[in-house]
Amino acid sequence: GAVVSQHPSWVICKSGTSVKIECRSLDFQATTMFWYRQFPKQSLMLMATSNEGSKATYEQGVEKDKFLINHASLTLSTLTVTSAHPEDSSFYICSARSPYYGYTFGSGTRLTVV
Amino acid sequence: QKEVEQDPGPLSVPEGAIVSLNCTYSNSAFQYFMWYRQYSRKGPELLMYTYSSGNKEDGRFTAQVDKSSKYISLFIRDSQPSDSATYLCAMSEGGGGNKLTFGTGTQLKVEL
Repeated sequence: GAVVSQHPSWVICKSGTSVKIECRSLDFQATTMFWYRQFPKQSLMLMATSNEGSKATYEQGVEKDKFLINHASLTLSTLTVTSAHPEDSSFYICSARSPYYGYTFGSGTRLTVV
Repeated sequence: QKEVEQDPGPLSVPEGAIVSLNCTYSNSAFQYFMWYRQYSRKGPELLMYTYSSGNKEDGRFTAQVDKSSKYISLFIRDSQPSDSATYLCAMSEGGGGNKLTFGTGTQLKVEL
């Protein structure tokens, strides 16, 4: 079956620094990748949608300059949280979509900004 | 009003019980319906996938979709402690790259 690898699974960073989260589809090509944010005991909130080779489409209220998304290939997308602050601490999850496998989710990244 | 509402809230049942989870939605353009299971601090994993109205069964899990009522359900038979997780309904309009809209989730605990 389809597997999406997300790294790191857990990261602590200092306030003001940037953090990059990587999402790879291991055995399939993803036409579209999605990035979500999830707060404790809440559902997934879509942050942005990205297609390979084009700019990401951000949801209303999501700062595109703060959450940089790069979708360099059909198997790799990255989310960079720039100038992170404690309020950016959250669980970030990526999802890759393919016509055959549908939506496959990564295992998530727990970001803690101190 | 949220686009997708999910019931019930946190749920605790004894082992062997039948569990019923439900979602209602307002967007009549939704065509694809999914149920995901999410363990703590993990990404969601797909449990059931249904296109349009109808029933689908997979082992102890049954998914039902009633588009006329804009209502979907997931039934878990003979629930096990390993079923303890958060269950999320999700739906999309379809088409390439179309985003998923999630329900609020139901936290299920199956007790021995």
